[in-house]
Amino acid sequence: SYKVTQPVSVSVALGQTARITCGGNNIENKNVHWYQQSPGQAPILVMFRDNNRPSEIPERFSGSNSGNTATLTINRVQAGDEADYYCQVWDRNTGVFGGGTKLTVL
Amino acid sequence: EVQLVESGGGLVQPGGSLRLSCAASGFTFSSYEMNWIRQAPGKGLEWVSYIGSSGTPIYYPDSVKGRFTISRDNAKNSLYLQMNSLRAEDTGIYYCARQSPASYYMDVWGKGTTVTVSS
Repeated sequence: SYKVTQPVSVSVALGQTARITCGGNNIENKNVHWYQQSPGQAPILVMFRDNNRPSEIPERFSGSNSGNTATLTINRVQAGDEADYYCQVWDRNTGVFGGGTKLTVL
Repeated sequence: EVQLVESGGGLVQPGGSLRLSCAASGFTFSSYEMNWIRQAPGKGLEWVSYIGSSGTPIYYPDSVKGRFTISRDNAKNSLYLQMNSLRAEDTGIYYCARQSPASYYMDVWGKGTTVTVSS
């Protein structure tokens, strides 16, 4: 079965750029989606089909997908961005989530 | 307002059964594919099942195949998850999520309902 791998944690200083990766075999051939989950809350969609932002998500969020790695980038990180982030793909009629990355804002 | 509200969670003994419901409002439920996703305490998200807009196709991961059954009633704007032969590892928050048409991402999530499997 297809697997995607995320770093357990990423730390970034306030106002700097955070990059959260999602690794998988030839993941560039798949559509990668990203979800943000704040403590005690349900997940929300922050990026779909690699680099498309829902209208309510700030332009500071962007995405890319190349080779074996998809990346969610958050520019000018704010305290409110501190959350868990999950990547997700579909593979042969199966939903696949990464293990999640905890973003800490210093 | 687009909304999904789960219910039916609770405490159940190992080997027992539970039926979760998800009430949809604010959109044309019959036009959307739906999913159940769960999250064990302190763990990540795990996809649990998928159902097409008209009730087919249906997919499950191996971890729940043969024990869980997803269904929907488009006349009632409702999604269901029948869970049988429950195990301790089925404990967690269960979310229903709307899938964007002709895509493979979940664009609307409910707040979840908690299932605890314990003796």
